[in-house]
Amino acid sequence: NAGVMQNPRHLVRRRGQEARLRCSPMKGHSHVYWYRQLPEEGLKFMVYLQKENIIDESGMPKERFSAEFPKEGPSILRIQQVVRGDSAAYFCASSPPGDYEQYFGPGTRLTVT
Amino acid sequence: QQQVKQSPQSLIVQKGGISIINCAYENTAFDYFPWYQQFPGKGPALLIAIRPDVSEKKEGRFTISFNKSAKQFSLHIMDSQPGDSATYFCAASIRGGSNYKLTFGKGTLLTVNP
Repeated sequence: NAGVMQNPRHLVRRRGQEARLRCSPMKGHSHVYWYRQLPEEGLKFMVYLQKENIIDESGMPKERFSAEFPKEGPSILRIQQVVRGDSAAYFCASSPPGDYEQYFGPGTRLTVT
Repeated sequence: QQQVKQSPQSLIVQKGGISIINCAYENTAFDYFPWYQQFPGKGPALLIAIRPDVSEKKEGRFTISFNKSAKQFSLHIMDSQPGDSATYFCAASIRGGSNYKLTFGKGTLLTVNP
């Protein structure tokens, strides 16, 4: 059973460009969480999604950030008009329905130049 | 407001020694406390977790001690090995309801010298 997959693993964007980060949960997992890790910091919750629904986006910046988890395909975290402060590692985690154990992917390291 | 405080920030231990990392939480609604291990360039990996109905859980060389009244929990790594060198994060969440988002501590960088 493959683990949580994220791509790309590294992403370089210039200020003002868009970044799209993808997360494929483990097989049988329909819940996806996105976290951001800044240098020297722990992981911060951003958004919690189930298939076709955003359950909790309380950790998402109000502007430029959006997330989706369509019926088919991976979950997408989208950052529009990136700024240097968006440079971080972005991790997604998945869990099966009704289970609180979360399994993390390898992360996408976003660098904004 | 930092809901989970972790200490120390970094820790150096000799091979064979005991590594101890402490966490304190504020939200009494938290009832699930996992520890994650993260190697450079990798994602966090679930190491061990505890619920507040037990005071201690042991898996191999890793033990979680939990003190509900003090709102503290700690990770003990016995017989520490160089391969244990990594960053360790404590976390907390609420099992009730359906949103299990994790609140993390800031991490402890553990170095085990050979």
